[in-house]
Formats: sequence, C-alpha cells, structure tokens
Amino acid sequence: GAVVSQHPSRVICKSGTSVKIECRSLDFQATTMFWYRQFPKKSLMLMATSNEGSKATYEQGVEKDKFLINHASLTLSTLTVTSAHPEDSSFYICSVSKGPNSPLHFGNGTRLTVT
Amino acid sequence: SQQGEEDPQALSIQEGENATMNCSYKTSINNLQWYRQNSGRGLVHLILIRSNEREKHSGRLRVTLDTSKKSSSLLITASRAADTASYFCATAQTTDSWGKLQFGAGTQVVVTP
Repeated sequence: GAVVSQHPSRVICKSGTSVKIECRSLDFQATTMFWYRQFPKKSLMLMATSNEGSKATYEQGVEKDKFLINHASLTLSTLTVTSAHPEDSSFYICSVSKGPNSPLHFGNGTRLTVT
Repeated sequence: SQQGEEDPQALSIQEGENATMNCSYKTSINNLQWYRQNSGRGLVHLILIRSNEREKHSGRLRVTLDTSKKSSSLLITASRAADTASYFCATAQTTDSWGKLQFGAGTQVVVTP
C-alpha cells in the first residue's frame, strides 16, 4: 500500500493566491520529509528538507518566504506556495525515508497551475 | 546542479526486448538509486545499490555500479508494455545526505506491444 499520501493531486489557482499542499507519512513516523519540484520533462530538484518541530532547511536558490514549510507532527508536512505566480506552476512531490541507505518513498505529487 | 546524466534520453523498444539505460555521475557517492515514474505520477523506487556493491538484481531488473567510472546501468529484461515509463537514477553523496538525492534527467522508455 501507499507509504505517502499527498493532497491535492491537482490544483489550479489565480496569481497572487496561496496554495497549501499536504504530505502524510502513512507507514512510519517521519521526523524528516523532503520536498522536490519537477519541471516538465525534467529532473527532480530538492527544494527543502522539512524537520519535525524545527525550521525547514532550504536548498540554495529556494525562497523560504515563498515556499513555507510546516512539519507540525511526525506524520504531516505541509508546503504552502504563497502569492503564487505562473512561474510557480510545476509538479511538487514530497517524500519520506527511513534513513541512510533506505530508499525514498514519494507521494503521487501535486500538479500546480497558476493562471 | 544535476549530478546524474542518463543515457539515452529516450528509448523505444518492442515487448520482449531488453532495455538498457546508463547513468553517469560526477562526485563520490554513498549509494545510487533507480526510480520509475509513470506520467503525471510520483516516483517508485526500484533498486538501491551501495557504493561498495557492483551488481544487484530484482526480478527482471539488473543494476550495475562502477564507481571507478562513476557510472551505473539499469537493465530491464523481457520488457512489457507496462514498463513504459521514465526511469531516473539518483545519487546520495553521503550518509548524512540520505534524503537529499540528486536526480538525473531521466530516460523515457516506450515499450510497444
């Protein structure tokens, strides 16, 4: 069965609005979750590492004020795209892992379209 | 920056044939992983191979790793139409960076019946 549940799978919003994406770890408690972004026909890029009970760690070039991450419990992390613009349109995927030398389990992703 | 580079970018084969794709990377790694992605979906883990391993099998999948050449290959034997997907290699550079994978651009595989 699914290890990670991600919602919504698809969202269309207008420029200037904010969108929240939820990621739930179903199989185990995850103190750390990982948010990736994928452009069309491109590779995945790590955006940030979500840490339960503390601030997220953002990769270079990712605006922390635009992509707000909250990891309030051991099974839930949320990514909020604030004041969305068309260039934020992308496929966002969260993932969890049990630790070193364990694979990542990905959610089914969220297709965000900003009009 | 992108760590892995897959080759070829696209591969079209017929059912029953084998599909081979390669991945090259630039820095030392702790492990290398292969994932599969169906269109518009999340990624599914296929195989993880550690830096001290040279070959791993899982069903119809065979992965090799050559750390001296900084390259890996994924072989799908006796392919099926259901194998149609994009395949990505990803590297974890250190034990500490276990969730911070660096992905290649992927190989798009189409298997025709």
